[in-house]
Amino acid sequence: GAGVSQSPSNKVTEKGKDVELRCDPISGHTALYWYRQSLGQGLEFLIYFQGNSAPDKSGLPSDRFSAERTGGSVSTLTIQRTQQEDSAVYLCASSLAQGGSPLHFGNGTRLTVT
Amino acid sequence: KQEVTQIPAALSVPEGENLVLNCSFTDSAIYNLQWFRQDPGKGLTSLLLIQSSQREQTSGRLNASLDKSSGRSTLYIAASQPGDSATYLCAVKNFVGGATNKLIFGTGTLLAVQP
Repeated sequence: GAGVSQSPSNKVTEKGKDVELRCDPISGHTALYWYRQSLGQGLEFLIYFQGNSAPDKSGLPSDRFSAERTGGSVSTLTIQRTQQEDSAVYLCASSLAQGGSPLHFGNGTRLTVT
Repeated sequence: KQEVTQIPAALSVPEGENLVLNCSFTDSAIYNLQWFRQDPGKGLTSLLLIQSSQREQTSGRLNASLDKSSGRSTLYIAASQPGDSATYLCAVKNFVGGATNKLIFGTGTLLAVQP
């Protein structure tokens, strides 16, 4: 597609349930990022994939959060045993491999944990 | 640890005014700096990217400058329009271990352009 695609656009889940968020990056983009944006807060880095290198997981807030990137393309962010404080907009971005390339963001998934 | 600050947090101007948004960062060893806009309920749209070796970039009515040594960037918007109303975010990419790394974002400036 022309841009970064995220699904679902909205997700409401009960506390304690697991959720999966999906990101389809722009074709040919080898770098993929997940960020979280909470109400009134800035963007919080979660995880970064670059090609076949080991991902930078330094931003994941707890071991309930994990992410995969299969085949160097689609990525899935999984949150296990969701808590109310996980409610936020989860944004995915991709870029070309070169460090100087701009990031292109999807519209995000708005997660609400009740 | 890199910290990015944006001032002001919110700004309201009448249509037609020229305006400047400010971004400062604490660690000058950046690889590049990128300005984004975010409309309500949407993702981020890239506006301008300045490499660390550059001083400024221009796109239409937008001009972004970078002064790495002082840890500052400005986004200049000429002849503002109501459609410019959005949150503007700056973000820096650092060198880490000889390689580039994640973008670190400021908290944004909420701009309202009054018709």
